[in-house]
Amino acid sequence: GAVVSQHPSWVICKSGTSVKIECRSLDFQATTMFWYRQFPKQSLMLMATSNEGSKATYEQGVEKDKFLINHASLTLSTLTVTSAHPEDSSFYICSANSGGLQETQYFGPGTRLLVL
Amino acid sequence: QQQVKQSPQSLIVQKGGISIINCAYENTAFDYFPWYQQFPGKGPALLIAIRPDVSEKKEGRFTISFNKSAKQFSLHIMDSQPGDSATYFCAASKERSGGYQKVTFGTGTKLQVIP
Repeated sequence: GAVVSQHPSWVICKSGTSVKIECRSLDFQATTMFWYRQFPKQSLMLMATSNEGSKATYEQGVEKDKFLINHASLTLSTLTVTSAHPEDSSFYICSANSGGLQETQYFGPGTRLLVL
Repeated sequence: QQQVKQSPQSLIVQKGGISIINCAYENTAFDYFPWYQQFPGKGPALLIAIRPDVSEKKEGRFTISFNKSAKQFSLHIMDSQPGDSATYFCAASKERSGGYQKVTFGTGTKLQVIP
């Protein structure tokens, strides 16, 4: 089956530093990847849609300069949280599908970010 | 604006019982309705999905019932087991140009199955 991995699974950083999270589709090519944010006991909120080779499309209210997304290849998308602050602490989850009429989004295991 | 409303927020069911989670949507353009299961600290996993051209879909112990006119759909878990204890999200999406689908999630239901 389709597998999506994320790295790291858990990161702690100091306020003001930048953190990069990788999302990889391991056994399929993902033309589109999605980045979500999930607060404890809450639903997933879509942050942005990432298409290979083009700029990401951000949802309303998501700061483009704060959350940098790069989808450089068909198997890799990265999310960089720049100048992280404690309020950026959250669970970040990526998902991927292979485009066309593919309906299924395959989710990664998530990355827990804690900003001190 | 919450486009997909989900209830209940939490649910406790005895082992062997039936778990029922309900969702309602507003956007009639939605054409794909998946359910996801999420364990603590993990990403969501697709459980079962339905399109609006059918009223019911069953896979093992999991059944989706779909009412297009009422814009409602529900997940039934038969013979609930402790291993089913997780958070369940309903979702809805519509096909977009380019083929990819943007998914709107419900608020989630935390299910606890007690022995």
